[in-house]
Amino acid sequence: NAGVMQNPRHLVRRRGQEARLRCSPMKGHSHVYWYRQLPEEGLKFMVYLQKENIIDESGMPKERFSAEFPKEGPSILRIQQVVRGDSAAYFCASSPSPGALPYEQYFGPGTRLTVT
Amino acid sequence: SQKIEQNSEALNIQEGKTATLTCNYTNYSPAYLQWYRQDPGRGPVFLLLIRENEKEKRKERLKVTFDTTLKQSLFHITASQPADSATYLCALGNNAGNMLTFGGGTRLMVKP
Repeated sequence: NAGVMQNPRHLVRRRGQEARLRCSPMKGHSHVYWYRQLPEEGLKFMVYLQKENIIDESGMPKERFSAEFPKEGPSILRIQQVVRGDSAAYFCASSPSPGALPYEQYFGPGTRLTVT
Repeated sequence: SQKIEQNSEALNIQEGKTATLTCNYTNYSPAYLQWYRQDPGRGPVFLLLIRENEKEKRKERLKVTFDTTLKQSLFHITASQPADSATYLCALGNNAGNMLTFGGGTRLMVKP
């Protein structure tokens, strides 16, 4: 059973370009979470999605950031017009189908975004 | 505002000793607490989960305690090994959803 997959592992963008980060959850998992880890800081929650639904986006910056988890295909975290401050490691996690809380989250290897 | 504190200084211990890491929180009433391990350049790996009504949880050489009065969790690794060297993260969650709030992590170095 493959784990959570993220691609690309490393992404370099110039200021003003768009960044698209992809996440394929573990097989059988229908919940996806995105977290951001800035250098020397802890993981910060960004958004929680189920298939075709955004459940909680309280951690998403108000502008330039969006996320989706379509019925088919991976979850996408999209950052428009990137700035240097967006440079960070972006982690995706997934957890099993709905059931009694709580359940552990399985993390992908992360995408390291560098904005030049 | 919610605050989760882990010792930001690295913890250095000798192989074979017990490592104890601390996680303190304020302005939060978590329903559960989780501990993760993170190696450089990798994503966190789940280790243990403990609910608010549980005092202690064990898994092999790992032990977690959860004191909701003190607002503190302790994470112990007994008979530590150099392979245990990593950053350990505590994360809190509530029943409103499954998103986790992470502490900054503590780096553990086990010397042979």
